[in-house]
Amino acid sequence: QVQLVQSGAEVKKPGASVKVPCKASGYTFGSYYIHWLRQAPGQGLEWMGIVNPGDGTTIYAQDFNNRLTITRDRSTSTVYMELSSLRSEDTAVYFCAREASTTVARPLDYWGQGTLVTVSS
Amino acid sequence: DIQMTQSPSSLSASVGDRVTITCRASQSISSYLNWYQQKPGKAPNLLIYDASRLQSGVPSRFSGSGSGTDFTLTINSLQPEDFATYYCQQSYSTTWTFGQGTKVEIK
Repeated sequence: QVQLVQSGAEVKKPGASVKVPCKASGYTFGSYYIHWLRQAPGQGLEWMGIVNPGDGTTIYAQDFNNRLTITRDRSTSTVYMELSSLRSEDTAVYFCAREASTTVARPLDYWGQGTLVTVSS
Repeated sequence: DIQMTQSPSSLSASVGDRVTITCRASQSISSYLNWYQQKPGKAPNLLIYDASRLQSGVPSRFSGSGSGTDFTLTINSLQPEDFATYYCQQSYSTTWTFGQGTKVEIK
């Protein structure tokens, strides 16, 4: 069965970086794009970016101003989301999700369980 | 970026009610529209894709309609497990955006 498994909660200081893994299993890793999204406490969903695991190409939301890097490791079927220069407003649950490629609107059909990143001094 | 506006932001309804949530895009997005349900502490769950197609395993009381800029999610005969927050999401543009969410609460 398809699974996306993320790491546990992280606590970081302002100015630091965080790198969150998302390990995929149950399907052909290189055949489905992976997205990253986040949700601040009590807020809605914010789309962050996407990676093509096949060739590593990425697209990022402009709001992250070069602080965001999404990479993948094909040998371990893992996608990584790294966010740098952390500030308190980056405190959120971070989700990875798989894009279904066979429909027009390419919805997110499988999600990781989420990783809480807390930024606090 | 394409802005997605949902209404209402929250609503109170009773079990058995019919509930309608609307989502408006700031420009035409054809049928590049998906709906998700999210319960507290959980990841979102896909309900409707391509504006009107029911995701496998989702109860048939959920339906979606619309194209262009105006879309609707309808829940017929609301069940206790449907109390949650619902989000629309567009994938028309290179960068994706979500509506702000609609919280469905028990009356």
